Amino acid sequence: EAGVAQSPRYKIIEKRQSVAFWCNPISGHATLYWYQQILGQGPKLLIQFQNNGVVDDSQLPKDRFSAERLKGVDSTLKIQPAKLEDSAVYLCASRSGLAGTGELFFGEGSRLTVL
Amino acid sequence: KNEVEQSPQNLTAQEGEFITINCSYSVGISALHWLQQHPGGGIVSLFMLSSGKKKHGRLIATINIQEKHSSLHITASHPRDSAVYICAVSPTGNQFYFGTGTSLTVIP
Repeated sequence: EAGVAQSPRYKIIEKRQSVAFWCNPISGHATLYWYQQILGQGPKLLIQFQNNGVVDDSQLPKDRFSAERLKGVDSTLKIQPAKLEDSAVYLCASRSGLAGTGELFFGEGSRLTVL
Repeated sequence: KNEVEQSPQNLTAQEGEFITINCSYSVGISALHWLQQHPGGGIVSLFMLSSGKKKHGRLIATINIQEKHSSLHITASHPRDSAVYICAVSPTGNQFYFGTGTSLTVIP
């Protein structure tokens, strides 16, 4: 079974530039998450999708971050314009099953450095 | 206050030692997850449990729902076990609360 695919693995940009990350979850997984993990901290939820609908985006800085999952499969996360504090690993995860069930599968992450 | 607290934050062990990492949580949960993250790598799910005990190779996870506490044990630790171990709880729905992780270093 293929895992959660993310790209790019690494990205270095200057502040005020834009960046986009892509995620392809495990086939059939309805729930997709984007997390931000700053060095030394646990993952922080940015947005959760159920199929192509947003379930929770309460912690997404909507003035600069956007995410979509148009066909309920793969997803993109965009940052525009980037700030220094956006330097982090952006993790995509997916999960099958009904609410509260199913194992969580993570991608390798996309490491962003903002200079 | 964090919903999930882990201890210790950092742990160094000699190869072969028995290791215990603890996780306490303050919310009602439907499941608890133990995750492993290698430096520069993604996160791998080790266990998902809602009661009792699970074992996979040298890894054992236990949970006490009444006490809101879980432990991850590693028997006969090996340098390749060096990683960050993260406890995550799922209260209801698909929401997760993550601990800040325990950084384990196993010295040969």
